[in-house]
Amino acid sequence: AQKVTQAQTEISVVEKEDVTLDCVYETRDTTYYLFWYKQPPSGELVFLIRRNSFDEQNEISGRYSWNFQKSTSSFNFTITASQVVDSAVYFCALRPLIQGAQKLVFGQGTRLTINP
Amino acid sequence: EAGVVQSPRYKIIEKKQPVAFWCNPISGHNTLYWYLQNLGQGPELLIRYENEEAVDDSQLPKDRFSAERLKGVDSTLKIQPAELGDSAVYLCASSPGLAETMDTQYFGPGTRLTVL
Repeated sequence: AQKVTQAQTEISVVEKEDVTLDCVYETRDTTYYLFWYKQPPSGELVFLIRRNSFDEQNEISGRYSWNFQKSTSSFNFTITASQVVDSAVYFCALRPLIQGAQKLVFGQGTRLTINP
Repeated sequence: EAGVVQSPRYKIIEKKQPVAFWCNPISGHNTLYWYLQNLGQGPELLIRYENEEAVDDSQLPKDRFSAERLKGVDSTLKIQPAELGDSAVYLCASSPGLAETMDTQYFGPGTRLTVL
C-alpha cells in the first residue's frame, strides 16, 4: 500500500522566516517518484519538483530546497526567507514506478500562511 | 504554452440534477486524469485515460459518474444524478505520456461543485 503523511495541517510564520514542510511516505516499492505541488488560492496545483528514489541528493532552487532521506522515508521541503506569495497549500505526492501505474498518491496537504 | 483548461470554474446545482465538467489538456499530452479533491484533503484519482482509452477507472463510482474522451484530446466528466456528498473540487490533469520515468502531471484550476 502507498501512503503519504503530512503531519502539519497548518503553519503560520512571519515573512522572511525559514519554514520546513514535512512529508513522510510509505511504500513497498523499491522504485518510486516523489513530488511536491503548490496549490494557491486560485486552485490550480503547480508542479514544484520530482525526485526518483535512486537520487538522494538534496536539491535547491532559489529559495526552495528539498531534503530526501530514504532511510527515514522523508521528503521535506524548506522555504528560505519566506514571502507572502508563498502562502498556499502544499502537497507531497508519491508515485510508484510500476508499469502502468501512474497514479499519484497525495498527502493531505499543509496550509502555509506567510504573514507580512 | 497554454496549460490545462477546465470549465466551468464553479457550478452550483440542486441534488438529483445532472452536471458535466469539461477539460482540455495541454497540447500533445496523451494522458489525461480526473481527480476529486474534498475540502482539506489531497486529490484522489477518479479515472485515467491513455489517448481515448480509460486505462484506470477503478475509483470511479460508475453508478452515477461517467467520463469520456472520444477523440483522445478533451474530456468530459459527468455526474447523474448529483448527491450532496459530491460537493468537491474536480481537477483535471494531463501528462505527456512519455516513458514513465519522465512523466509529470500538470493540473488545471479545477471545477468547484456545490450540491444543494
